[in-house]
Amino acid sequence: QKEVEQDPGPLSVPEGAIVSLNCTYSNSAFQYFMWYRQYSRKGPELLMYTYSSGNKEDGRFTAQVDKSSKYISLFIRDSQPSDSATYLCAMITGGFKTIFGAGTRLFVKA
Amino acid sequence: DTAVSQTPKYLVTQMGNDKSIKCEQNLGHDTMYWYKQDSKKFLKIMFSYNNKELIINETVPNRFSPKSPDKAHLNLHINSLELGDSAVYFCASSRMSRDYNEQFFGPGTRLTVL
Repeated sequence: QKEVEQDPGPLSVPEGAIVSLNCTYSNSAFQYFMWYRQYSRKGPELLMYTYSSGNKEDGRFTAQVDKSSKYISLFIRDSQPSDSATYLCAMITGGFKTIFGAGTRLFVKA
Repeated sequence: DTAVSQTPKYLVTQMGNDKSIKCEQNLGHDTMYWYKQDSKKFLKIMFSYNNKELIINETVPNRFSPKSPDKAHLNLHINSLELGDSAVYFCASSRMSRDYNEQFFGPGTRLTVL
């Protein structure tokens, strides 16, 4: 079993839809939870990060962590074609080793 | 200004050859990484250096050898290339922290072994 599980998709939604992306993990020592966005043929870039459980909102994006269920989510409201990318969840126990999920490919159709 | 740069961007080579990929960062970070991303987009850590010292060395064949001449550079040399080495290799950098760190990625080097 991988430490971080993420459905690779692809996920296709119409413009304006609410998108929900999820990851589950097995290592209860993970403390920091991140979402990276990767456009085609580019390197990943950090979108959001949260520490421990709870919600964090940034514009149209909301990151949610449920440590009791070992489950994290990223919600995208009013999705746009420019949101089409691969979204990778990532987790870190502290320090420098980050474990990435497999990434979910998202397509937002105009 | 490019924060993390890699050369070359594309690399096509024959099985058995030796090749190198170079990475440079101008962010003033003290930690650099090499990741391999396979065709299914799975991003896996290979190596990490902090202040030129190797701190992460995952289960990677000995044919892969990283070298960090200084804090701003991390190179990857691959000997006797195999078909399975075909992937996109990303360099990243961050500031070392006891807790959270944001990694900044380069544009990737797409390696194709024929």
